[in-house]
Amino acid sequence: GEDVEQSLFLSVREGDSSVINCTYTDSSSTYLYWYKQEPGAGLQLLTYIFSNMDMKQDQRLTVLLNKKDKHLSLRIADTQTGDSAIYFCAESEDSSYKLIFGSGTRLLVRP
Amino acid sequence: DAGVIQSPRHEVTEMGQEVTLRCKPISGHNSLFWYRQTMMRGLELLIYFNNNVPIDDSGMPEDRFSAKMPNASFSTLKIQPSEPRDSAVYFCASSFRTGFSEQFFGPGTRLTVL
Repeated sequence: GEDVEQSLFLSVREGDSSVINCTYTDSSSTYLYWYKQEPGAGLQLLTYIFSNMDMKQDQRLTVLLNKKDKHLSLRIADTQTGDSAIYFCAESEDSSYKLIFGSGTRLLVRP
Repeated sequence: DAGVIQSPRHEVTEMGQEVTLRCKPISGHNSLFWYRQTMMRGLELLIYFNNNVPIDDSGMPEDRFSAKMPNASFSTLKIQPSEPRDSAVYFCASSFRTGFSEQFFGPGTRLTVL
């Protein structure tokens, strides 16, 4: 079945760049997403990328997709303490309502 | 719009009691999802409604769990009887399906079953 994997934890210093990685197994994935969960809150969509794209940039966020290796990454430039949260990678197929989530990466930003 | 609204935000109950969680999706959204989040199992989809009709309930753990969506603006998830292993954060999410599934999540209900 489909599987999405992420590392559990990342710690960076404020002002540095953060890179959160994700691998997935479903070759039929059409859309790949990054969601952010702050403490005590629900998930919030940060950004997404279509599978026919290699890269997407949105302000401080850069998403890179290597479809051959089924590898997705999220780079946060100039990481701030407010970026401390859990980041979830997710994928879905074109015609499917179902999102397959990874286990989440907890990002800690040190002052 | 106020976003997806869930109530209660926190629920503490004793084993064997009935628990009802409530969700109001974003107005105009036609898809509604219930998720459960635990440390051990991560985020699991329990049930998916489209236009108030349950489409996929394969994630519902067992018969003790039931969900309803009597109209486009309200859904409930009921656990009867509750057990300690049901302790988790339950999220409701809604979406208006276009070409992809941007799901908007509620703040969640933290359930503790003693």
